[in-house]
Amino acid sequence: AQSVAQPEDQVNVAEGNPLTVKCTYSVSGNPYLFWYVQYPNRGLQFLLKYITGDNLVKGSYGFEAEFNKSQTSFHLKKPSALVSDSALYFCAVTPGVSGGYNKLIFGAGTRLAVHP
Amino acid sequence: DVKVTQSSRYLVKRTGEKVFLECVQDMDHENMFWYRQDPGLGLRLIYFSYDVKMKEKGDIPEGYSVSREKKERFSLILESASTNQTSMYLCASSFKAGTGIMNTEAFFGQGTRLTVV
Repeated sequence: AQSVAQPEDQVNVAEGNPLTVKCTYSVSGNPYLFWYVQYPNRGLQFLLKYITGDNLVKGSYGFEAEFNKSQTSFHLKKPSALVSDSALYFCAVTPGVSGGYNKLIFGAGTRLAVHP
Repeated sequence: DVKVTQSSRYLVKRTGEKVFLECVQDMDHENMFWYRQDPGLGLRLIYFSYDVKMKEKGDIPEGYSVSREKKERFSLILESASTNQTSMYLCASSFKAGTGIMNTEAFFGQGTRLTVV
């Protein structure tokens, strides 16, 4: 079955420290990978995506993510966390060409709490 | 500014009622989606549509139906609301790539928090 795993329900980090939010996936074909963020009482906002090319992709608000095909992972990172980064983060994947499906599969979400 | 608008932020309905959730997008997107969001389960796809009058079941279609009569509007229908359908419902839209594979970002509405009593 195709799935996305976010192994941590919550990540706590001090402001100014680096942060990592983990994501692993299991899909057929070559996947397309996404990160979305949800602030309180808001819809989801797109952060970044990996389609092809360089394994390190940069996105909005200083976030980046690294695609690792051998480990089937797409971890979200930021060098220096801000309190305003506190939110719910979702990893999502869609199967690539050989998987052939026009939809996103979401992980359960990871709540990021950045403390002053 | 791109926009996906859901008609209600909060709804309270009684068990057995027929419930309509409306979603409108102004970006001329081909794809539209309905998800429900529950704590610890993330977003689960209910239905999606890649063209007017076209629809496909997602992962949890039971108890739901959809309607897409116009490109900009995608409606989710709960035929007979039940308490286990109490949830946050999110509508989204995106462009449809030539390959049909979803490789572009999806834009989400603010969500409708539905409570069935």
